[in-house]
Amino acid sequence: GQNIDQPTEMTATEGAIVQINCTYQTSGFNGLFWYQQHAGEAPTFLSYNVLDGLEEKGRFSSFLSRSKGYSYLLLKELQMKDSASYLCAVRDYSSASKIIFGSGTRLSIRP
Amino acid sequence: DAGVTQSPTHLIKTRGQHVTLRCSPISGHKSVSWYQQVLGQGPQFIFQYYEKEERGRGNFPDRFSARQFPNYSSELNVNALLLGDSALYLCASSLEQSTDTQYFGPGTRLTVL
Repeated sequence: GQNIDQPTEMTATEGAIVQINCTYQTSGFNGLFWYQQHAGEAPTFLSYNVLDGLEEKGRFSSFLSRSKGYSYLLLKELQMKDSASYLCAVRDYSSASKIIFGSGTRLSIRP
Repeated sequence: DAGVTQSPTHLIKTRGQHVTLRCSPISGHKSVSWYQQVLGQGPQFIFQYYEKEERGRGNFPDRFSARQFPNYSSELNVNALLLGDSALYLCASSLEQSTDTQYFGPGTRLTVL
């Protein structure tokens, strides 16, 4: 089966760093995505990891460990506009390469 | 370049009616996927189309159907609407089928009364 777990809600302070964790189980792993979704809007692509390690893109970094079925999204120098839901998603090649999404982590940034 | 576009933006229907949602992918993208997102949840996969053929189907009833046209645009059809079909319907396009990032359109907000 397929399962993706991430915390439901997190709170952090403006200017700080926050790490959002994601664990997954899938029979045919073929890459992990992170998307940002503001309320009432469509998800926007943040990062893609297919190999183990850290991918850095500006204030955002994403890490993957395939052996542990684990990923995290690291957000640095938090800004109020970072308040959003963050979706972890896995591509499963055993299932027509469809992308399976977690329920998302709602991140609130306080001043 | 224009991103993924979807129409209509919002739609209100009553139970038992039928609805058609439309999606135009990013220029050059050949794959379109449809997702249903209910409030507080992540998007749930409905269909994927690539080169006008269905390449994947999620766990949705037969009331849901879709197709892709020669210009790679796509339609999602839902028959015999239920209250539980109320959701944001998202279309995502990618260059190829299985190795590329999907980019989402703004979605169609469907309300079933």
